[in-house]
Amino acid sequence: EVQLVESGGGLVQPGRSLRLSCVTSGFTFDDYGMHWVRRAPGKGLEWVSGMSWNSGRIGYADSVKGRFTISRDNAKNSLYLQMNSLRAEDTAVYYCAKGTDPGETSILYAFDMWGQGTMVTVSS
Amino acid sequence: SYELTQPPSVSVSPGQTARITCSGDALPKQYVYWYQQKAGQAPMLVINEDSERPSGISDRFSGSSSGTTATLTISGVQAEDEADYYCQSADNSGTYVLFGGGTKLTVL
Repeated sequence: EVQLVESGGGLVQPGRSLRLSCVTSGFTFDDYGMHWVRRAPGKGLEWVSGMSWNSGRIGYADSVKGRFTISRDNAKNSLYLQMNSLRAEDTAVYYCAKGTDPGETSILYAFDMWGQGTMVTVSS
Repeated sequence: SYELTQPPSVSVSPGQTARITCSGDALPKQYVYWYQQKAGQAPMLVINEDSERPSGISDRFSGSSSGTTATLTISGVQAEDEADYYCQSADNSGTYVLFGGGTKLTVL
């Protein structure tokens, strides 16, 4: 069974940092691109960042570029999101999502498995 | 900036057909994907690459794309279909993953 489990969310003050983790199981992690998607309260889904299977292609939404860094540890079947200089508008549930196509070198594809999300609240 | 446009809401009676559109200038060049998200749950992929139904998805769900508009069609709508639906695609340059604003489907 494919599982994606996010952790690391919580309440943080504006300007501070937080690191999210996504531990996966049930599939060959290093074959697949992985992404972070968020949903702010009362709003829709927003793509945050994605990384191809071999880390050769990385993308960020303009809203987080320069503040967030995506990374992966294939030995630990894990995806990470380092979030710096957090703002109130970063408050959201953050989901880890798996790409559909193994070996895909781009970051443009559907996401066929999602975690349950971790809540990040940025507030003083 | 590039956007995908969806109607904020669609309402249908049980048994009727719901159609949810997604518009964007890059859609002639990029695939569209559709997700269903029920309250308190993670999103679920219901249509891949414009019109392919993933394994386990009811055949009441279908997708199509023509020009700058893609459409998710739900036939014989049931109460369990009530959810938010999102389209996903990319910008013209293939740099950014984008989601539409979402459509709330209400079953009357």
